[in-house]
Amino acid sequence: QKEVEQNSGPLSVPEGAIASLNCTYSDRGSQSFFWYRQYSGKSPELIMSIYSNGDKEDGRFTAQLNKASQYVSLLIRDSQPSDSATYLCAVNVVNSGYALNFGKGTSLLVTP
Amino acid sequence: DTGVSQDPRHKITKRGQNVTFRCDPISEHNRLYWYRQTLGQGPEFLTYFQNEAQLEKSRLLSDRFSAERPKGSFSTLEIQRTEQGDSAMYLCASTEYTDTQYFGPGTRLTVL
Repeated sequence: QKEVEQNSGPLSVPEGAIASLNCTYSDRGSQSFFWYRQYSGKSPELIMSIYSNGDKEDGRFTAQLNKASQYVSLLIRDSQPSDSATYLCAVNVVNSGYALNFGKGTSLLVTP
Repeated sequence: DTGVSQDPRHKITKRGQNVTFRCDPISEHNRLYWYRQTLGQGPEFLTYFQNEAQLEKSRLLSDRFSAERPKGSFSTLEIQRTEQGDSAMYLCASTEYTDTQYFGPGTRLTVL
């Protein structure tokens, strides 16, 4: 089973700070990478997708991908208490019809 | 169309009973996925359909589990002879011709 690893946290940052969430994956053939946000008791909500090395920005969120290092990260700028949630990193399963392999998630707490 | 829907949202059953869950994907989406998520874990892939064809099943999908998508629209997931270890959130996701999956609200199953 190919692995997706995340630090479970909790990661605590003050309001207005930058939160940095990291993810590593083991399958070098993976091509598609996703970040989902999940509030307690709710289902995952897509934040961003990234496919190419480098940075991709969407509002306060920036995803970073380094395929050589097999590393994906998510930066959240100007963190808000409403950003407090679990962030799931997902990677496509190679040769598996776009099924996703998820990490266990990192719990983020933004304190006022 | 407001997104993926799942029914019921919660199900409590006794060990040994059969349960069935329904998922209605976003209307134009031809791919439908089932995942299972237990506390503290990321979602785990169970199976996926392209239109009405079930193209892949995870080894997690034991013989007690069966899924159908008879007309390529909604899907059902049935668990026979439920066990306490089946208690989890069952998530459905759909996508069209991309690998970006959108999740429904999930069905939380509790087996007593």
